[in-house]
Amino acid sequence: EAQVTQNPRYLITVTGKKLTVTCSQNMNHEYMSWYRQDPGLGLRQIYYSMNVEVTDKGDVPEGYKVSRKEKRNFPLILESPSPNQTSLYFCASRDSLLMNTEAFFGQGTRLTVV
Amino acid sequence: AQKVTQAQTEISVVEKEDVTLDCVYETRDTTYYLFWYKQPPSGELVFLIRRNSFDEQNEISGRYSWNFQKSTSSFNFTITASQVVDSAVYFCALSEANFNKFYFGSGTKLNVKP
Repeated sequence: EAQVTQNPRYLITVTGKKLTVTCSQNMNHEYMSWYRQDPGLGLRQIYYSMNVEVTDKGDVPEGYKVSRKEKRNFPLILESPSPNQTSLYFCASRDSLLMNTEAFFGQGTRLTVV
Repeated sequence: AQKVTQAQTEISVVEKEDVTLDCVYETRDTTYYLFWYKQPPSGELVFLIRRNSFDEQNEISGRYSWNFQKSTSSFNFTITASQVVDSAVYFCALSEANFNKFYFGSGTKLNVKP
């Protein structure tokens, strides 16, 4: 089954404690991206990656890092989480060779930073 | 400026009523792609439809229909004979020709009451 898998689904952490949210896709997609969803703001792009070792900032990259060492994985790293990073996070992948395809989203990770 | 505007924050209807969710987009590209996603209370993002800028044909899928009008930069979504299971947040999204970003509207929460 084609899917994007995020882990964990829920996470409560304390300010300053480094954490990683993993994302993996099994569709051989080149393009992957991370979004955060906040009330009234919709989804905003954090980082995206066009292929292995190619990453770039989205609209709200501050406080986040990503890496793309393998095609299937695109982890989101919060080096020093703060309460304003409490949000619902989504990872997505897309076939960049087919311009009109939709993005496939993971199930979401609800992060609370206290 | 916001690329995708969903002016309706929340709509409440009674079951079996028809409801239209508005989406207005902004882009200078001649090639672009529009999408609708549904986010049920469980939180995942469910793809509903995509439309490219060269295809202005309206589409109907069961109780769902979409009206794409380039002249007004709108891509509205109508649910006919709404059902309680339609209760969700609906997002409109735009992807431009450079493919790197997916712009989401702020979402419209639809409440369908029995």
